Amino acid sequence: DSGVTQTPKHLITATGQRVTLRCSPRSGDLSVYWYQQSLDQGLQFLIQYYNGEERAKGNILERFSAQQFPDLHSELNLSSLELGDSALYFCASSAGTGDEKLFFGSGTQLSVL
Amino acid sequence: GNSVTQMEGPVTLSEEAFLTINCTYTATGYPSLFWYVQYPGEGLQLLLKATKADDKGSNKGFEATYRKETTSFHLEKGSVQVSDSAVYFCALSDLRAGNMLTFGGGTRLMVKP
Repeated sequence: DSGVTQTPKHLITATGQRVTLRCSPRSGDLSVYWYQQSLDQGLQFLIQYYNGEERAKGNILERFSAQQFPDLHSELNLSSLELGDSALYFCASSAGTGDEKLFFGSGTQLSVL
Repeated sequence: GNSVTQMEGPVTLSEEAFLTINCTYTATGYPSLFWYVQYPGEGLQLLLKATKADDKGSNKGFEATYRKETTSFHLEKGSVQVSDSAVYFCALSDLRAGNMLTFGGGTRLMVKP
C-alpha cells in the first residue's frame, strides 16, 4: 500500500459529461501529481501541485483542471468528455518538489462511452 | 525535449532466465534515471534509481547502470521469478525541466513457470 488513495476506482460516463477524480496523498506529502495512462499515449504527466499551488503543467487539455485543497487532497476535473479521454488516471505524491521518490495511487479507470 | 525509449513488449521468459529490458534517453541536462514497476491492478512503484553517470541502482535482484556515453539505463536481473511479471517503466527527471518524471512506454514482462 503506497498510502495514496484515489477514488473512485472505476468511472463510466458518457461523452459531453463532467467528472471529478479525487486523490488523497500520503500523510505529510506536500506535492501531488496527476498522470494519464492510455494505450496509445503511454504515461503522460498532466499537472503538479505543491502545498496548494500549481507547480508544473504538462500535457493537460484545457477541458481538464485540477486543484489542491488546504488539507492537501487534490481533485482532477474532466469536462466535455470525449471517447479519447478514456484512460487510467494516476495520482502520485511526494514530500517536496525535488528529485525524490513518487508514491502512486492505484488509479481511476475512466471509461467514456 | 526530454524523452525515454524502451523496448516494446511483451517480453516472455521462463523462470530463472536472465532478463534485460533496454532503455535509452534523451535529455538536455543531467537527468536522474529511474525504473518503476506496475503490478496488475496497482499503481507504479519505484524499483531503483541512479542520479549520476556510472551509478548503479539495485533492488530485489534488479540492477541498472547509468551510462552517460550511451545514454542508456538498461534493467537487468539474473534469474527472474513468476512474481516479477509486471510492466516496467523507465523514466527520467531533469532539474532543468522542473524535475517532472518523463516515462517510457513501458515493457510488459511475463514469466512462465
